[in-house]
Amino acid sequence: AQSVTQLGSHVSVSEGALVLLRCNYSSSVPPYLFWYVQYPNQGLQLLLKYTTGATLVKGINGFEAEFKKSETSFHLTKPSAHMSDAAEYFCAVRGEMDSSYKLIFGSGTRLLVRP
Amino acid sequence: GAGVSQSPSNKVTEKGKDVELRCDPISGHTALYWYRQSLGQGLEFLIYFQGNSAPDKSGLPSDRFSAERTGGSVSTLTIQRTQQEDSAVYLCASSLATDYSNQPQHFGDGTRLSIL
Repeated sequence: AQSVTQLGSHVSVSEGALVLLRCNYSSSVPPYLFWYVQYPNQGLQLLLKYTTGATLVKGINGFEAEFKKSETSFHLTKPSAHMSDAAEYFCAVRGEMDSSYKLIFGSGTRLLVRP
Repeated sequence: GAGVSQSPSNKVTEKGKDVELRCDPISGHTALYWYRQSLGQGLEFLIYFQGNSAPDKSGLPSDRFSAERTGGSVSTLTIQRTQQEDSAVYLCASSLATDYSNQPQHFGDGTRLSIL
C-alpha cells in the first residue's frame, strides 16, 4: 500500500532563505505525486504535481520539486522564502490500481517564516 | 469561476446529535470526494462519487457516517449520533474524472465540526 512520510512537522526559515520540505513515498506502482498548500481556515491548493516525464517539476509561487526514484523522494524547494509562504504543506501520492482516484497524504509540514 | 463550496463553515453540536455537511462541487466536475482532517489522523479519505457509479465508501470510519450525491452534483455527508472523536475539519474536493493523474482535485475550505 502507498504511504507518504514528511520529515519534520515544523520547519522554520528566515525570510529570503532556502525552503526545503522533505517527502518520501512508498508505492508499488509508478507514483503520481503532489504537493498541496493549506493556508489557515482554507482548503488545500495544488502547488505542483509529478506524473511522468521531467523529474524537476515547477509549480506556483516559485516552488519546485524533484522526483528521485532511487531515493523514493519528492522534496519541495523554493530558493527564497517569503512571509506569505507561511502555511502547512502536504505531500500526497495517488492511490494504486482501482483506487487511483484516492490521494494518500503525508502528515504535513508547517512552514514558519521569520522576518 | 466558482470553486468548491462547503457549508456550514463551522458547526458546533452536542454529542449524540446528527449533523449534515454540504458540498457543492465545481460545475462540470463529475468526481467528488470527502476527506477528514483531524489532529490525530491527518488527512483521511472518506468517500468518492463518480457519476452514476456506486460510490467508494471504504474510508467511512463507522456506520454512523453516510453520504449521498443527488443529481450528480451536490453532496451531503451525514454523521449520526455524533461522538467527540468526530471533531475534525471535513474537506470536500471535486475533479474532472477523465484522468485522475492529470486532473487535480480542487478542495473547498472545509467544515470545521466541533462536538461538545
